[in-house]
Amino acid sequence: AQKITQTQPGMFVQEKEAVTLDCTYDTSDPSYGLFWYKQPSSGEMIFLIYQGSYDQQNATEGRYSLNFQKARKSANLVISASQLGDSAMYFCAMREEGNNRLAFGKGNQVVVIP
Amino acid sequence: DAGVIQSPRHEVTEMGQEVTLRCKPISGHDYLFWYRQTMMRGLELLIYFNNNVPIDDSGMPEDRFSAKMPNASFSTLKIQPSEPRDSAVYFCASSLLEGVDEQFFGPGTRLTVL
Repeated sequence: AQKITQTQPGMFVQEKEAVTLDCTYDTSDPSYGLFWYKQPSSGEMIFLIYQGSYDQQNATEGRYSLNFQKARKSANLVISASQLGDSAMYFCAMREEGNNRLAFGKGNQVVVIP
Repeated sequence: DAGVIQSPRHEVTEMGQEVTLRCKPISGHDYLFWYRQTMMRGLELLIYFNNNVPIDDSGMPEDRFSAKMPNASFSTLKIQPSEPRDSAVYFCASSLLEGVDEQFFGPGTRLTVL
């Protein structure tokens, strides 16, 4: 069964605009962590932000914020003030407690246009 | 710190040949992961080590794949014999702790089997 679902098609975003990338997950474990990674065309995987299932507040890291809705099992990434360098694939991932396996979604393609 | 180091960055080989991919994790990290990324299957965890010991190899596709970690600063992923369907990008990642700690990825090895 797929644990992480990212279904949005490729997105074009105007520079300086905000963009929201959807991620829903499936787990019966009460304790888990959610991660977002960025993969630019150069291929490396860059860690962006982490949200723990027991965290009371939504995680933020600079221009990245995570809209965590636990009851809906969603962990959407919000990128504010998009920059040309934000053009990349974005992957949502989950790790359940006691398990070091990161389950990745299929990714969202974002292209920022000037 | 130099980050996770992988070599080679690109490998082109012929079907039936042995392929060895190498990884040096970030110094002090206790966990090392090997992933494979393809268009069809996305990012998949192949195997991970804790303190040089293989913990979960359930993602290793078949007996042609083997991984070792002889010491804390070096790991190899070997494919013997290689097949065209093994063509993919192979990532090595390391993390300091389990649980909330993010995984830091290497630049990947792009493998092409002709």
